[in-house]
Amino acid sequence: GENVEQHPSTLSVQEGDSAVIKCTYSDSASNYFPWYKQELGKRPQLIIDIRSNVGEKKDQRIAVTLNKTAKHFSLHITETQPEDSAVYFCAAKRGSSASKIIFGSGTRLSIRP
Amino acid sequence: SAVISQKPSRDICQRGTSLTIQCQVDSQVTMMFWYRQQPGQSLTLIATANQGSEATYESGFVIDKFPISRPNLTFSTLTVSNMSPEDSSIYLCSVPGSVNTEAFFGQGTRLTVV
Repeated sequence: GENVEQHPSTLSVQEGDSAVIKCTYSDSASNYFPWYKQELGKRPQLIIDIRSNVGEKKDQRIAVTLNKTAKHFSLHITETQPEDSAVYFCAAKRGSSASKIIFGSGTRLSIRP
Repeated sequence: SAVISQKPSRDICQRGTSLTIQCQVDSQVTMMFWYRQQPGQSLTLIATANQGSEATYESGFVIDKFPISRPNLTFSTLTVSNMSPEDSSIYLCSVPGSVNTEAFFGQGTRLTVV
């Protein structure tokens, strides 16, 4: 069945360093890949997304890359700050509004001062 | 983006009882999704609520335990029935954006069963 694997489950980086989270997906029909950030006690919020016709997308300190052939996509956060501490979820979705989103298992990112 | 109001935001319930969670959207949507997020875990889809038809449940979830109503295009309820401590979780409703866009989430219902 459809599956999204996410690594690592926990990640601790020094403030100012970069963080990378990696995901793989199994459904070759997936063509939309959002990333969500969930702070403690809050709802998941979209931080960046990428579509299958694009290999890379950047928004300030956050970037996402996609390798459709290998079914891999990654989140890169540069110049990490304390407010980046949260749980991050990758996800994959097929191309219709009715299709469900399959979430990865999450990565708890901690930024050390 | 859709605005989703979910209530209650939290509740503490006795085992064996039922709780109904409400989800109100500020625009008409065909599909509404209900997720469960167990402590420290990812989001697991419970079911898809379709207006005018039966909800579609994912593997491991059944209608008797999680009955869903979808009376119109802006509202849905999820009931957690005959609760046990294992049902303690956050329950979230979600609606899709347009084709190939993000899901919008309600603020969640934190349920504790004692």
